[in-house]
Amino acid sequence: QVQLVQSGAEVKKSGASVKVSCKASGYSFTNYYMHWMRQAPGQGLEWMAMSSPSGDSKHYAQKFQGRVTMTRDTSTSTVYMELSSLRSEDTAMYYCARESGAFDVWGQGTMVIVSS
Amino acid sequence: QAGLTQPPSVSKGLRQTATLTCTGNSNNVGNEGAAWLKQHQGHPPKLLSDRNNNRPSGISERLSASRSGNTASLTITELQPEDEADYYCSAWDSSLPAWVFGGGTKLTVL
Repeated sequence: QVQLVQSGAEVKKSGASVKVSCKASGYSFTNYYMHWMRQAPGQGLEWMAMSSPSGDSKHYAQKFQGRVTMTRDTSTSTVYMELSSLRSEDTAMYYCARESGAFDVWGQGTMVIVSS
Repeated sequence: QAGLTQPPSVSKGLRQTATLTCTGNSNNVGNEGAAWLKQHQGHPPKLLSDRNNNRPSGISERLSASRSGNTASLTITELQPEDEADYYCSAWDSSLPAWVFGGGTKLTVL
């Protein structure tokens, strides 16, 4: 079945970086855009980054420019999101999602906790 | 700060009809349409309707989406306890350019 499986929870110190993975299966990975979103505790959804189907083109939310890097490995059908210079406000659940005009498949989420 | 505007909460009785709204502008909802997502506490969001107001396979016919100008709406008829959740709208904003979400509406079924 179509699914996105994300890596496990992370606890990081302020100033560190975190890299989250998202492995796709059950569909043709190179036919879809992929995205990263996050959701702080008790808050709404926030879009962070997107990658074209081939991975050649990336686009980041202005808020995260310079701190976020999205990569895509077509050989393993995996996308990655790396967020640097972590601060307490980055504590959130991070989700990857497939896009077909809308976010139709979501990963289970990866909790990232940033402690000082 | 959310790019789209949704009422924070809506409460309706069992078997009643709820209409959730999502207001944007001509750069997002008005031109690109809006998709709707449902999220239960502790779970990832689930797509209910795409930007063309089409329901994915398996989504109840009690749900219908529409758009008028810069406002998108999701109508849920015959409300059931399992409809109680947070609902989000999302749209592509061509002026930013970026994807934007509404702040979410918590639907309570009384």
